Amino acid sequence: EVQLVESGGGLVKPGESLRLSCAVSGVTFRNTWMSWVRQAPGKGLEWVGRIKSTTDGGATDYAAPVKGRFTISRDHSQNTLFLQMNSLKTEDTAVYYCSTDSGSYYGLEYWGQGTLVTVSS
Amino acid sequence: SYVLTQAPSVSVAPGQTARFTCGGNNIRRKSVHWYQQKPGQAPVLVIYNDSDRPSGIPERFSGSNSENTATLTISSVEAGDEADYFCQVWDNSDLWVFGGGTKLTVL
Repeated sequence: EVQLVESGGGLVKPGESLRLSCAVSGVTFRNTWMSWVRQAPGKGLEWVGRIKSTTDGGATDYAAPVKGRFTISRDHSQNTLFLQMNSLKTEDTAVYYCSTDSGSYYGLEYWGQGTLVTVSS
Repeated sequence: SYVLTQAPSVSVAPGQTARFTCGGNNIRRKSVHWYQQKPGQAPVLVIYNDSDRPSGIPERFSGSNSENTATLTISSVEAGDEADYFCQVWDNSDLWVFGGGTKLTVL
């Protein structure tokens, strides 16, 4: 059974930083592309960014609103995906989901339960 | 930037057919994926690559893609299908793009 468990959300002030984690099990993590998707309260889904598998080079891509502020990384020894969020803005307030990313033909197959990030003064 | 347009809401009676459209420029050239999201839960992939169903998704869920509109169809709608439905494509410029979502109300 594939399981993704996010953690690390909380309340921070504008300009502060936060790191989210996503513990992954049930897949060969180093071979799996991963994405982060967020959802502001009462709003739709917004893709944040993704990281390719180590076997595919481990490159990252980001959505325009977070590029330069957010960084995705992965630790294979812990089977864990990370999202480092710097210079947070109030508009970054959302539930953040990690998901497996099977590419353009297959979509985002497995999702975690999400973790809430609130940016407020 | 690539835009996917979905109607805000759809309402159907139990047992009827619900159709969700996802409009995009030449969307026929892209693989369209659909997600179901129930209140307070994570999204669930219900259709990938226009019309394929992941394991465990009922045959009542089907998809199609033509010209500038992709469609998710749920036949014999049940109360448990009440949820938000989002379409998604990969775009070489914007990467993963989601539609705004359609809320299904089962009357």
